[in-house]
Amino acid sequence: SSELTQDPAVSVALGQTVRITCQGDSFRMYYANWYQQKPGQAPVLVIHGKNNRPSEIPDRFSGSSSGNTASLTITGAQAEDEAVYSCSSRDTKDYHPLFGGGTMLTVL
Amino acid sequence: QVTLRESGPALVKPTQTLTVTCTFSGFSLSTSEMSVSWIRQPPGKALEWLARIDWEDDEFYITSLRTRLTISKDTSKNQVVLMMTNMDPVDTATYYCARSLHSPKGYDYMDVWGKGTTVTVS
Repeated sequence: SSELTQDPAVSVALGQTVRITCQGDSFRMYYANWYQQKPGQAPVLVIHGKNNRPSEIPDRFSGSSSGNTASLTITGAQAEDEAVYSCSSRDTKDYHPLFGGGTMLTVL
Repeated sequence: QVTLRESGPALVKPTQTLTVTCTFSGFSLSTSEMSVSWIRQPPGKALEWLARIDWEDDEFYITSLRTRLTISKDTSKNQVVLMMTNMDPVDTATYYCARSLHSPKGYDYMDVWGKGTTVTVS
């Protein structure tokens, strides 16, 4: 099956911009979805498809993709954005959902 | 408002069968393009999609666990049930259910998740 690879940890200064990336062959064919997960809580969808935000997600969250890399960008990171962010896409072999290992975002 | 809630045993013994139930509200699994997925997350590890059932009763399973999983739905009760046989300590995880949607642009995503139910195999 395919794999989605994420950096384990990323940090950003409060109010600055951070990009969280996810690499995998899936992104050459399929869109990425991004989920935010805070400790002890369920994942929350923040971006789906090309760059679609659920209505309750702030517009500082955006998504993009190029080649085999999908990115989640937070423009003006806030303390409440500290969480694990997981990418998801489709397995290129069996077409089922696949998740990345997650990136722990620390807001300094 | 869409909500999902998982329920099931907190502890199962090795070799036993796990049965977890997802009870949902705010949508119907008889509506076109509607599905419910099960996803699990071992402590400190990544999310892993397990199975999905859709409005047409089609079932989809992760290849690596296909022989151990069965997903079913009761549309009248707004419930989806996942059974996993031959449980092992490595199956210790939080099990989530989530509503799965299919975008007109041809991709799937899980837009609302339950809080999860923690299952320990020991």
